[in-house]
Amino acid sequence: GDSVTQTEGPVTVSESESLIINCTYSATSIAYPNLFWYVRYPGEGLQLLLKVITAGQKGSSRGFEATYNKETTSFHLQKASVQESDSAVYYCALGDSTGYQNFYFGKGTSLTVIP
Amino acid sequence: GPKVLQIPSHQIIDMGQMVTLNCDPVSNHLYFYWYKQILGQQMEFLVNFYNGKVMEKSKLFKDQFSVERPDGSYFTLKIQPTALEDSAVYFCASSPTGGGAETLYFGSGTRLTVL
Repeated sequence: GDSVTQTEGPVTVSESESLIINCTYSATSIAYPNLFWYVRYPGEGLQLLLKVITAGQKGSSRGFEATYNKETTSFHLQKASVQESDSAVYYCALGDSTGYQNFYFGKGTSLTVIP
Repeated sequence: GPKVLQIPSHQIIDMGQMVTLNCDPVSNHLYFYWYKQILGQQMEFLVNFYNGKVMEKSKLFKDQFSVERPDGSYFTLKIQPTALEDSAVYFCASSPTGGGAETLYFGSGTRLTVL
């Protein structure tokens, strides 16, 4: 089926350390998958962090990066140096270009950055 | 950025009662969605809605569920009657257009507890 698996949380890192949150997807019924990272800060709704709709491309936002790797079916989120304000829950998501869009979300990874 | 508002943030009801969850989507958006997240699990698609009609629904969207947006006001999810397994956080989202490359704008969720 179509699904997303991401790093189980919670994840705790110290400020200025590097971060990687793994995401792999299965798109058995989706011909042209689109990949997203959403972030949810405390008390707020999910908001888009970055998205990539073409395999092989990289998306970036607020110092975060993710590359759409079709060979390994992965879309890992990375940041070279995290800040305390990056503490949030991160969701990887898979979208279907050809449908009315059913998005498939991962369980979310809770990140805490320690000052 | 654009905001989706969900009211109330938390609702507690007795099994068998009716509940209506309200969502105020971004004003110029045309597509509306409900997602359900049980604690510790993925956020899962329930339904999407466009031009006054349900476009797609998942198997989670039981017969007891209904959605509407009367007079272009709140986009509502009604559950009648409720069951214990309906306890979850329900997220509303909206987008300007449909399609699997579109960015969704989410509310902060309504936590529903069915006793």
